[in-house]
Amino acid sequence: SQQGEEDPQALSIQEGENATMNCSYKTSINNLQWYRQNSGRGLVHLILIRSNEREKHSGRLRVTLDTSKKSSSLLITASRAADTASYFCATDALYNFNKFYFGSGTKLNVKP
Amino acid sequence: DSGVTQTPKHLITATGQRVTLRCSPRSGDLSVYWYQQSLDQGLQFLIQYYNGEERAKGNILERFSAQQFPDLHSELNLSSLELGDSALYFCASSVGREGYEQYFGPGTRLTVT
Repeated sequence: SQQGEEDPQALSIQEGENATMNCSYKTSINNLQWYRQNSGRGLVHLILIRSNEREKHSGRLRVTLDTSKKSSSLLITASRAADTASYFCATDALYNFNKFYFGSGTKLNVKP
Repeated sequence: DSGVTQTPKHLITATGQRVTLRCSPRSGDLSVYWYQQSLDQGLQFLIQYYNGEERAKGNILERFSAQQFPDLHSELNLSSLELGDSALYFCASSVGREGYEQYFGPGTRLTVT
């Protein structure tokens, strides 16, 4: 299956600490995206990184992509209680942009 | 607020029944995607439409069908419902046909009893 896998499944940190989540996938991709989901609500797009990019920043978020290892990481710096959510990576497939595969997610809990 | 609307928010129905979920994409978006999220299967891609045409199919059951109308809203039809179809159903939209970020609606929670 193409489906990505996030690691760890759950992460609990104190406010102000950094949180790092990893995503691994199985086959070559065009793009990898990270999404956030607050409990039972719709997903919110965070960052899209293309296969020819290695790193991307957006505010307190930093995403890296290593296509040779088929892995990506999402770093949230100076975390806040409001960052508490589940984080998913989503990949397409090299010869099929349109099919998206979401990982199982990392549940992040930021304690105030 | 993503700009994507879904109705209804909640739906409770019995096994064997048929339901229709509705999605209105963000203004200007031509692609609509449907996803199913359940506890044991995670978030599964079902189907994508672009400007009225089916573009990609994922793990969509034969009992399920979808369409996108000329005004770009989309409907997901679920028939012969089973207990295992209970899940959150999300619609997402994007501006282009492929390779763009998706904007998700709030979801429809379907409970089959």
